[in-house]
Amino acid sequence: QSALTQPASVSGSPGQSITIPCTGTRSDVGGYNYVSWYQQHPGKAPKFMIYDVTRRPSGVSDRFSGSKSGNTASLTISGLQAEDEADYYCSSYTSSNTLVFGTGTKVTVL
Amino acid sequence: QVQLVESGGGVVQPGRSLRLSCAVSGFTFSNYHMHWVRQAPGKGLEWVALIYSDGSDKYYADSVKGRFTISRDNSKNTLYLQLNSLRAEDTAVYSCARDPHSHWYFDLWGRGTLVTVSS
Repeated sequence: QSALTQPASVSGSPGQSITIPCTGTRSDVGGYNYVSWYQQHPGKAPKFMIYDVTRRPSGVSDRFSGSKSGNTASLTISGLQAEDEADYYCSSYTSSNTLVFGTGTKVTVL
Repeated sequence: QVQLVESGGGVVQPGRSLRLSCAVSGFTFSNYHMHWVRQAPGKGLEWVALIYSDGSDKYYADSVKGRFTISRDNSKNTLYLQLNSLRAEDTAVYSCARDPHSHWYFDLWGRGTLVTVSS
């Protein structure tokens, strides 16, 4: 199972919006609504930000939102803040009853 | 306090075995599916295995299938991962994670335990 494809890095200025795409196939992202997103700061455990493509858990800022079109899921961060600088990973359930993560995206706040 | 605490990592030679544990507290362990996820130094996340809440079903990544075994003891609130035939590429921090709705996502993670496979 190949990793989902994410850009290695995305950057933006404070207050701007950025979008991180996560591209898979019909056997994972495109076939199921079990896509989730995680934020990981250096040396820390990942924190889940989005689940089931669009659902945001309590306690996560509404500046974070998820969507999906075809085989590509996306995480959008609005009103970018310094604390958003971190690595972000998507993940998806697959038709093989496994889970696959994305390659990861480093978000830099300029 | 809700937490997951991994243990059992260390330095091991290629071909040898290791058993990791994940001690759970603060919630009803037997109600949740549980996963192992690993992260090689400086690399991304890789899903390893899933075990159902009652232990009835188990799923593995192709990279570990046939070598690793996930298990749990609900009476001891503990999750396990038996690592056999270890390879250099298995070097990683191994973390246990809770799946709250059986939707293949993780709402609670441990800090992880480092496994280093080296001669």
